[in-house]
Amino acid sequence: GENVEQHPSTLSVQEGDSAVIKCTYSDSASNYFPWYKQELGKRPQLIIDIRSNVGEKKDQRIAVTLNKTAKHFSLHITETQPEDSAVYFCAASIPPQGGSEKLVFGKGTKLTVNP
Amino acid sequence: DGGITQSPKYLFRKEGQNVTLSCEQNLNHDAMYWYRQDPGQGLRLIYYSQIVNDFQKGDIAEGYSVSREKKESFPLTVTSAQKNPTAFYLCASSAGTGEHEQYFGPGTRLTVT
Repeated sequence: GENVEQHPSTLSVQEGDSAVIKCTYSDSASNYFPWYKQELGKRPQLIIDIRSNVGEKKDQRIAVTLNKTAKHFSLHITETQPEDSAVYFCAASIPPQGGSEKLVFGKGTKLTVNP
Repeated sequence: DGGITQSPKYLFRKEGQNVTLSCEQNLNHDAMYWYRQDPGQGLRLIYYSQIVNDFQKGDIAEGYSVSREKKESFPLTVTSAQKNPTAFYLCASSAGTGEHEQYFGPGTRLTVT
């Protein structure tokens, strides 16, 4: 089945620096790759997603890149701020195989932005 | 955010007891999911349902059961057969195939002693 590896597990940066989180997946049929942010004690929330027909997507300070050939995708956060501190999860979709479409999540990256 | 709710926020049970976690959504979503979150383990799928009266096992279904009698509701029962039930449980919903964003509930923290 699909396996999603996420690195690093923890990341500490200075305010204003960039942060990059990387994920790899195993199923070449995956075609949807969301990123979720979970602040301490809160629910995960979608921050950006990308589909397999594009290589990059940006939304203000965050961007996601996808390399389908290499089966990896990355989250880029520029000009980091203390409120970016959270756990970030990547995920990859599994197309329906006699059932329903579902997501497989990475294990998460705890990002700390130091003022 | 307010469209999907879970109750209670905290739940305490003794070993050997079954316990049911509630999940309700008013987003008119067809698909609903249950995840378990443990420190350093990410989100692991327990069960999911695409439509009413149908559900499928996820990656860690052993010791859990679900029902989907109504579109709005997807309760999860943690049975005494689940060996390590203490965890944070998250419910999510999505509009279904082709609409992938999952909206999460606030979670239920279950402690079994």
